[in-house]
Amino acid sequence: RKEVEQDPGPFNVPEGATVAFNCTYSNSASQSFFWYRQDCRKEPKLLMSVYSSGNEDGRFTAQLNRASQYISLLIRDSKLSDSATYLCVVNGRNTGNQFYFGTGTSLTVIP
Amino acid sequence: DTGVSQDPRHKITKRGQNVTFRCDPISEHNRLYWYRQTLGQGPEFLTYFQNEAQLEKSRLLSDRFSAERPKGSFSTLEIQRTEQGDSAMYLCASSREAGLNEKLFFGSGTQLSVL
Repeated sequence: RKEVEQDPGPFNVPEGATVAFNCTYSNSASQSFFWYRQDCRKEPKLLMSVYSSGNEDGRFTAQLNRASQYISLLIRDSKLSDSATYLCVVNGRNTGNQFYFGTGTSLTVIP
Repeated sequence: DTGVSQDPRHKITKRGQNVTFRCDPISEHNRLYWYRQTLGQGPEFLTYFQNEAQLEKSRLLSDRFSAERPKGSFSTLEIQRTEQGDSAMYLCASSREAGLNEKLFFGSGTQLSVL
């Protein structure tokens, strides 16, 4: 079983739409969670950390459900510039110091 | 803060040749990671250093792969006797803070093509 699983998409949404991505992780002892954004042929860049209480950064909201081992990312009022691949990342601290990445979810925002 | 720097950006080599990549982490970041990414996949962990000590290696890192960080600053990743399956983007990342607040900052990567 993979450490982190994501729906690869693609998600094609019109500008202004709200879109949500989900991610599940297998290690219940995981302690740190993140969403990274990766543009085509570029490196991953940190979008936001995910906290148990949920957190928001502008149009982006991240949620963590430890009981279900589930992480989500909500993007409101989608912009063309949001088109990218969104990677769910979990730090499996008790199995070493590895950061485990999902395969990514592809988003295209259409004019 | 100049960011993580990787060199070269692209490398084309013939099967059986050796290649070496370099990574310069963000200044004062004591942790350095190497990842490999193929098309349609997320980055896969290869190895990580804390200062000059290599603390963890993935089973993906066969004996043809070796990484060093001799002075706890820059790191090199060498692949010997390259195979076509080694073709991938090799990403380096660094971090400063250990524990729950640790976050990875990536370089632009080295795209390796083995012909």
